[in-house]
Amino acid sequence: GAGVSQSPSNKVTEKGKDVELRCDPISGHTALYWYRQSLGQGLEFLIYFQGNSAPDKSGLPSDRFSAERTGGSVSTLTIQRTQQEDSAVYLCASRETGGAPGELFFGEGSRLTVL
Amino acid sequence: KNQVEQSPQSLIILEGKNCTLQCNYTVSPFSNLRWYKQDTGRGPVSLTIMTFSENTKSNGRYTATLDADTKQSSLHITASQLSDSASYICVVTPSTGGFKTIFGAGTRLFVKA
Repeated sequence: GAGVSQSPSNKVTEKGKDVELRCDPISGHTALYWYRQSLGQGLEFLIYFQGNSAPDKSGLPSDRFSAERTGGSVSTLTIQRTQQEDSAVYLCASRETGGAPGELFFGEGSRLTVL
Repeated sequence: KNQVEQSPQSLIILEGKNCTLQCNYTVSPFSNLRWYKQDTGRGPVSLTIMTFSENTKSNGRYTATLDADTKQSSLHITASQLSDSASYICVVTPSTGGFKTIFGAGTRLFVKA
């Protein structure tokens, strides 16, 4: 696609429910990132995928968070047994291999509200 | 610990005025420093990029400067417009482990008519 696409744009869920957030990166971009942005805060790194390499999961805050990337393209971030502190905007970004270092192209984000 | 600190946290200016946003970082060595603009409800978009050896970079009414000795960067906005109202985020990419860019918390700019 023309840009990074994320869905849903907004998600309201009840505490304890599981949620899935989807990211469709720019076609041909091999690197994919998930970030979390709480209100008034900076972006918090969650997980990084690069091609077929094992993902870097060092930013995932707990074992309730997981992510996968199928076929080197679409990625899904799953949050199990959601808690109120999980409420935030989840941003996905992609970068082409060999692209200018640090140049990330972001989606519009998925705003998660846990009641 | 690598950090990126931005100031002020928020800023209100009148349309047509200039302003300067600050970024102090401790990331060293670094590959590049970027300023992103994030409109409300949107993802960040890159405005400028500077490598270690560059001192200034312009993009229209936006001019970024970098002082590698003092580890400071600034973003100057000239003749502000209402559409400049957004968060401006300073992002530093380390030379090592370069995929883990480090984001500042941002400066929230409000331009009033």
